[in-house]
Amino acid sequence: GAGVSQSPSNKVTEKGKDVELRCDPISGHTALYWYRQSLGQGLEFLIYFQGNSAPDKSGLPSDRFSAERTGGSVSTLTIQRTQQEDSAVYLCASSLFPRGVGETQYFGPGTRLLVL
Amino acid sequence: GNSVTQMEGPVTLSEEAFLTINCTYTATGYPSLFWYVQYPGEGLQLLLKATKADDKGSNKGFEATYRKETTSFHLEKGSVQVSDSAVYFCALLETSGSRLTFGEGTQLTVNP
Repeated sequence: GAGVSQSPSNKVTEKGKDVELRCDPISGHTALYWYRQSLGQGLEFLIYFQGNSAPDKSGLPSDRFSAERTGGSVSTLTIQRTQQEDSAVYLCASSLFPRGVGETQYFGPGTRLLVL
Repeated sequence: GNSVTQMEGPVTLSEEAFLTINCTYTATGYPSLFWYVQYPGEGLQLLLKATKADDKGSNKGFEATYRKETTSFHLEKGSVQVSDSAVYFCALLETSGSRLTFGEGTQLTVNP
């Protein structure tokens, strides 16, 4: 594909509801990453996929957060029982190979999540 | 753990001024270093990168040199334009790792 795409671009939800955020990586990229960008915390790593498995999920802030990847392509980040502190921009990135020296991660436009 | 420290912003310059945004890092081993830029309303874009000591990354008139002795990767541009107004992020990637570690970001505004 032309680039990393994410949907929705904006999401407003009520506290306590579940949300799903979608990421379509660049075609052929084997590695996929989720980051969060918030005012107080800057840019934080959440989880990394190599193919369909997640060797590093240490950045997920709580067990309310989960992610999966299917077919080595599309990934979904799910936040259960959303809280106001989950409000942030969620960024997805992909790279051709994981763990390569200087491997560039290409970012999508992000999903802006607002929890009321 | 790994960390990246950027100079505090915001930075405001006049068109054609010289730009330096300082970036220092703490990491084990030999990380790769990146500068990403985020234009208003857009996603993060790679600006330049360097993968080993003394490498110079360059793009669109911007340059940064990987200095292992000072653990730095300062971003420079000789003559900024209004279109360079954006937020700039310094980041590192461990040799054996997968996650990018970002600095806090520096907001740059260039006035005509």
